[in-house]
Order: sequence, then C-alpha cells, then structure tokens
Amino acid sequence: QVQLQESGPGLVKPSGTLSLTCAVSGGSIRTNNWWNWVRQPPGKGLEWIGEIHHSGSVNYNPSLQSRVTFSVDKSSNQFSLQLTSVTAADTAVYYCAKFDYAYYGLDVWGQGTTVTVSS
Amino acid sequence: EIVLTQSPGTLSLSPGERATLSCRASQRITSSYLAWYQQRPGQAPRLLMYGASSRATGIPDRFSGSGSGTDFTLTISGLEPEDFAVYYCQQYGSSLALTFGGGTKVEIK
Repeated sequence: QVQLQESGPGLVKPSGTLSLTCAVSGGSIRTNNWWNWVRQPPGKGLEWIGEIHHSGSVNYNPSLQSRVTFSVDKSSNQFSLQLTSVTAADTAVYYCAKFDYAYYGLDVWGQGTTVTVSS
Repeated sequence: EIVLTQSPGTLSLSPGERATLSCRASQRITSSYLAWYQQRPGQAPRLLMYGASSRATGIPDRFSGSGSGTDFTLTISGLEPEDFAVYYCQQYGSSLALTFGGGTKVEIK
C-alpha cells in the first residue's frame, strides 16, 4: 500500500521560494503513475499544481508554470516542488498525490502540509 | 481549458435523506475521465468515484455516480453522519492534466 508524506518549511517569506518534498513509501516511484501536487488555500477549493513522472517528464498548471519546478529523486523514492516568488496568495495546504491511469484520478494522497507566506 | 461547475454550492440535508450533487463541464468530456472526491474537515481528499460511475475501493454502495457528455451527478442515497463533507468533481484532460470543480458542501440541516 503506497503512502505519501509531505515535508518542508511551514513558513516562507514573501518573494521567497517554497520548497516541499513528498516521500513515497510502500512502493516504488518508478511506476507508470504520475506524481502530483495539489494545493488548497484556506477555506477554498482544490487547485492542481502539476505532475511529474519518474522519467522526469512534467506537466504544470499554466497559471503557475512560470514559477514552479518539479524534480524526482529515484534513489530516495521522493519527489519535490519548488515555487518561486511566493506571495500571500500561495498560502495553502499543499498535498502530494498519486495519479493512477486505472482511475484517471488521484487514488493516494498525503496528509497535506500547511505553508504560510508571511514576513 | 475545460471548466467544471458544481452545484449547489451548499446542500443542507438531514441524516437519512438523499443528496444529489451536480458537476457540469464547459465542454463534452469522456466519462472515463470524470472522478469524484470526498473531503472531510481537516482531512485530505479521498477518491470516491471514477469513470463517472465506478466506486473506488471501500466506498459504500449508497454512493453512486452517473452522467455523460457535460452533465454528471453524484448521488448519496441515504446520508450517514460521516457523509457530511465537501465533494469535488475532477476531470482528466490532455491540455491541463487535471481540473477540479469548485466543490459542493453537504451540511447537516
């Protein structure tokens, strides 16, 4: 049973870079799944940030594409998110999740990590 | 870009009642690419339905999904206390891989 766990700083200064990592356990990241990031601002809905394959292929939400970079570390079985030039609008709970073609959806989610952008 | 519009925004019902949630797409989408999620307060979303009408693992049969083209529905046949939550629809597309609807909150009346 694959499990996901997000980690990273809970507080980031405006104009800084938000960096998060998602550790994959109970399975390998080297599968035909895509590894996703989704965020949820306080009291609001879900926003898809993007996805990465273990091959390094990525798809980003066009609204964030200029500021976001994903990477994958196969040796550590984890993947990461970097979001630059953050503002208060980037304050949210950030989730990592596994996309499975069997469902065309996200069948495994991390518990989420809260990131606040504030000075 | 396909936009998913969920209605109503909030549904106020009593336990045991039937809930009907709507998800409308701005363009026709393939039913196989339509999923629903449930999010309870303070928890991560969990996959509820996929392929518009198939229940994910462990989802009770009081949940059902239907629809095609641009109109999709999630029905909860008899609300249990743990069903009061927010529900999101999601579509998979080639240009923007995943899109979520704005959500419907099912609250206790």
